[in-house]
Amino acid sequence: DTAVSQTPKYLVTQMGNDKSIKCEQNLGHDTMYWYKQDSKKFLKIMFSYNNKELIINETVPNRFSPKSPDKAHLNLHINSLELGDSAVYFCASSRPGLAGVETQYFGPGTRLLVL
Amino acid sequence: AQKITQTQPGMFVQEKEAVTLDCTYDTSDPSYGLFWYKQPSSGEMIFLIYQGSYDQQNATEGRYSLNFQKARKSANLVISASQLGDSAMYFCAMTDNQGGKLIFGQGTELSVKP
Repeated sequence: DTAVSQTPKYLVTQMGNDKSIKCEQNLGHDTMYWYKQDSKKFLKIMFSYNNKELIINETVPNRFSPKSPDKAHLNLHINSLELGDSAVYFCASSRPGLAGVETQYFGPGTRLLVL
Repeated sequence: AQKITQTQPGMFVQEKEAVTLDCTYDTSDPSYGLFWYKQPSSGEMIFLIYQGSYDQQNATEGRYSLNFQKARKSANLVISASQLGDSAMYFCAMTDNQGGKLIFGQGTELSVKP
């Protein structure tokens, strides 16, 4: 069974379009994240939700809007797509660890290409 | 601010040999976690190993071990008996206990030669 799943896996679209990426986890985790991996493979946090509540918003343009309908789902909607949005977007979820540090498990990634 | 540094953009290792991937970190938090992830060419991020800042012993998971030197702020990954399937990008990351976001290093691309 897939632990953290994302749809779609690939997304090719034109500049200016609006698109959404969906994420679901069946691990029973409370916290979910969105990360962006750029063309140089650098990974950076975008958002984090804990039990449907936004807890991290890392200076991301407001064209990006996360939504968490329940603690098992975290979607990412992107308005007015730009060329620079082309990247791999990873969803992750975490379970509580020792001393409050949490191990994060990643989805397969969504490869977004904006033309 | 927290920071992770991986100084080896690329590494080569002969099959069946051991290899060490370097990672240094910087944080002022007393409580933190250190992680290694593997990203093969297929693109997924695979969790390998975790070390807590208060752990007295180095973490091990099968062929993976983490050489944790707290005073030096280093958390090197050791892969023993390398296999061809170990060829991938490896990321070192850290998090604190406030919010839980992962801070990643630049990655090291490991190539295992037959």
